[in-house]
Amino acid sequence: GAGVSQSPRYKVAKRGQDVALRCDPISGHVSLFWYQQALGQGPEFLTYFQNEAQLDKSGLPSDRFFAERPEGSVSTLKIQRTQQEDSAVYLCASSSLPATGELFFGEGSRLTVL
Amino acid sequence: DAKTTQPNSMESNEEEPVHLPCNHSTISGTDYIHWYRQLPSQGPEYVIHGLTSNVNNRMASLAIAEDRKSSTLILHRATLRDAAVYYCILRVLNAGKSTFGDGTTLTVKP
Repeated sequence: GAGVSQSPRYKVAKRGQDVALRCDPISGHVSLFWYQQALGQGPEFLTYFQNEAQLDKSGLPSDRFFAERPEGSVSTLKIQRTQQEDSAVYLCASSSLPATGELFFGEGSRLTVL
Repeated sequence: DAKTTQPNSMESNEEEPVHLPCNHSTISGTDYIHWYRQLPSQGPEYVIHGLTSNVNNRMASLAIAEDRKSSTLILHRATLRDAAVYYCILRVLNAGKSTFGDGTTLTVKP
C-alpha cells in the first residue's frame, strides 16, 4: 500500500501478557517513529529509528518496552508484562528525510489491557 | 526539547477563515515548524510546514512571525470536514524527537 500500515488495529491483552505491534513504513523511508497516545491527549514520543539504528529511545516509559527495526524497514514495538496503564493507541510514523520532512502516520494500534 | 503552546479549543463558522495560533518561544534556528491534524480514530495527518517564510499549499497557509517565536495556521474557508485536533510541533534538524502538545480542538459550526 501507499501509506504506513500498522497491525493489529485493535489488541486486547490480559494484564501480564506480552504484546507485539507491527509497523510497515512507506517503502524507502529512512526514519521511523513510535508514539503513544492516551485518550484525549496528544501523541507522546517513544522512540526513533534512522534505518536500522535506534537513535533515540528516551521516551520508552520502562524497560518493559522494546522496539526494533532489524532490516531498516518493518518495525516492531514489544511490550512485556503489560499493565493497565499501557492501554493507549500506539502510532507509527515514517519520514523520507531525517528531520525536516513531513511525518506520515499510520492509523495506530489500540491496545487495551484488562 | 522545544515545546509549543496552543489554545485548547477554538470555534469557527463554516466557510469562514480560521486562524489557529501556536507559540514556540524556545525555537532554535534550525527547527522546522510543522502542523498536523487528527480526526477521531485516525492517525495525525500532515497539513503544512515551514522554516522562516510563509507557506501556502492546497490545504492551508502558514504564517511565521519574523522572530519565529510564533506561527499561525490559516484555513481560508473552514468546512465541517476541517473539525479536528490541530497540532503544532517543531522538528529538529538531524534529530528525531518531536514533541506534540495537546493541540487545539477546532469545532466548525454549520
